[in-house]
Amino acid sequence: DAGVTQSPTHLIKTRGQQVTLRCSPKSGHDTVSWYQQALGQGPQFIFQYYEEEERQRGNFPDRFSGHQFPNYSSELNVNALLLGDSALYLCASSRGRGSYEQYFGPGTRLTVT
Amino acid sequence: SQQGEEDPQALSIQEGENATMNCSYKTSINNLQWYRQNSGRGLVHLILIRSNEREKHSGRLRVTLDTSKKSSSLLITASRAADTASYFCATARQPTGGGNKLTFGTGTQLKVEL
Repeated sequence: DAGVTQSPTHLIKTRGQQVTLRCSPKSGHDTVSWYQQALGQGPQFIFQYYEEEERQRGNFPDRFSGHQFPNYSSELNVNALLLGDSALYLCASSRGRGSYEQYFGPGTRLTVT
Repeated sequence: SQQGEEDPQALSIQEGENATMNCSYKTSINNLQWYRQNSGRGLVHLILIRSNEREKHSGRLRVTLDTSKKSSSLLITASRAADTASYFCATARQPTGGGNKLTFGTGTQLKVEL
């Protein structure tokens, strides 16, 4: 039973560019959440997708957007990258929006130069 | 923004000793969870305690929750070198319309030395 997978593992981008990160949830899970973790900090909630719609959103600008596909996988898009967007991006999946048990993927390390 | 603070920020102990880390939070919660993170990679869920529970055990882990003080503690007994990691508390509220957003603390870096 595959857990949550994320791709790519590492990514280096230049300021102003756009990036797309991908996440496949654990088998049987239909809800995907994205978190940003800056170095030395705890993860911060970006948004959550359920039934292909954004259901909850944290305090992140519109440069951060996402998508969920019919197979429950998800993408996180960040436009006009800033140096401050450098972080570990974590995807978490759960069975249903009300389930508090979330499974995290290994993350994508994004470096913006 | 972070929900609260964890204390201490860093903790270094010898193998076999107990490790205690504390978490404070700011708002009412539905439950509080503890996660472990190795070397800046993915988070591993350790234990969940609901707001109506005061203490919970799982193997070598013991978690307490004091909702009146908005605080929780995680005790790891008989620590091992493999317990070396960062530990985060995360709170969950039931917002209007559902959803299970987690709000994380700042984390405690635990180092267990041989």
